[in-house]
Amino acid sequence: DAKTTQPNSMESNEEEPVHLPCNHSTISGTDYIHWYRQLPSQGPEYVIHGLTSNVNNRMASLAIAEDRKSSTLILHRATLRDAAVYYCILRDEAAGNKLTFGGGTRVLVKP
Amino acid sequence: NAGVMQNPRHLVRRRGQEARLRCSPMKGHSHVYWYRQLPEEGLKFMVYLQKENIIDESGMPKERFSAEFPKEGPSILRIQQVVRGDSAAYFCASSPGPWRLRTEAFFGQGTRLTVV
Repeated sequence: DAKTTQPNSMESNEEEPVHLPCNHSTISGTDYIHWYRQLPSQGPEYVIHGLTSNVNNRMASLAIAEDRKSSTLILHRATLRDAAVYYCILRDEAAGNKLTFGGGTRVLVKP
Repeated sequence: NAGVMQNPRHLVRRRGQEARLRCSPMKGHSHVYWYRQLPEEGLKFMVYLQKENIIDESGMPKERFSAEFPKEGPSILRIQQVVRGDSAAYFCASSPGPWRLRTEAFFGQGTRLTVV
């Protein structure tokens, strides 16, 4: 998988939006952008994925830059239960069947 | 539909003992993946198996570690002669077929191995 860069940590207040950036300047045309999160003492959990267009689901929104070299995961109203490590992952055919996790962004939500 | 089930959730072994970690994939899933997460580190891919076949073991340490996924029963990750450095959380994921670029992966809750 191509490399992604994320901030180590971010803080947010409860009920406020959280914008998590991810840089992937070496992305290729066939790379999908996936986001997973890992709550404390849990296994990773799928959040959202996209290719070129912005995507929305019940958990979050994914905004993809026009040149696809960056993307932003948006949690519209953070709750305490959203405190987790969020991983931005690029997936392409060359990666086969592996998900390659980087360091992720640790999100702290303050009440 | 139960999710990916891993057991035990916690496992304590003395140095030199064997550890067996089990993973029951989601119903209808025939592909299993194992990951290891060392304390305060990210998840590292270990091995990808289909029923009765190891497809990719590029992340598996060459010695003491083995994995299987028999025709019947759960997938087993086996660590022989455990050392303190094996202490980690081991996660299993499953899918109905090879992960496609557009599909999600389903992970279990993990087994936390502590070697004393």
